Amino acid sequence: QKEVEQNSGPLSVPEGAIASLNCTYSDRVSQSFFWYRQYSGKSPELIMSIYSNGDKEDGRFTAQLNKASQYVSLLIRDSQPSDSATYLCAVPGAGNMLTFGGGTRLMVKP
Amino acid sequence: DTEVTQTPKHLVMGMTNKKSLKCEQHMGHRAMYWYKQKAKKPPELMFVYSYEKLSINESVPSRFSPECPNSSLLNLHLHALQPEDSALYLCASSQNLDRGEKLFFGSGTQLSVL
Repeated sequence: QKEVEQNSGPLSVPEGAIASLNCTYSDRVSQSFFWYRQYSGKSPELIMSIYSNGDKEDGRFTAQLNKASQYVSLLIRDSQPSDSATYLCAVPGAGNMLTFGGGTRLMVKP
Repeated sequence: DTEVTQTPKHLVMGMTNKKSLKCEQHMGHRAMYWYKQKAKKPPELMFVYSYEKLSINESVPSRFSPECPNSSLLNLHLHALQPEDSALYLCASSQNLDRGEKLFFGSGTQLSVL
């Protein structure tokens, strides 16, 4: 059984700070990793994907992957109140399916 | 175009009703999915269709019946639902998750069963 673990939060950060969201996974052979953002009552929106060890930057978002430690993180720089949402880490499994972590609720306070 | 279209956006039904949720994508994706999501929980996989064939059924009760008429369409037929089935129902599609392709979600149907 593949597992993807996240701290449920809420993680509270002041506006302008860096928010750091973490995810661990159990399947050593996983090759791709995704971060989704979900606002309350809305569907998940893909914001980052990462496939190689190291950092991948896209605007204010940076995904970090460490396959040896089975750890993937998402950094949000200059956090804004509009970043307040639940962030879901997801890892593909066999059978063309995606396993989601429980999600971390982020609150950015003005 | 990275759009997955779901209808209706909201649905209220009684326990004796029959209704259908519809999903459409024109990205040429070969896999389509139904997820169920309760409040403050992650999406929970219900069904996967690969190349229009049902490949995964996650022990979903028979009151939920999926249908894939063609490679662009996915339906979820609902009959004799229970109040605990009230949730956000999400359709998604992907070319091939096993090869690292991305999964795209529709906007969802918020279902309330009375």
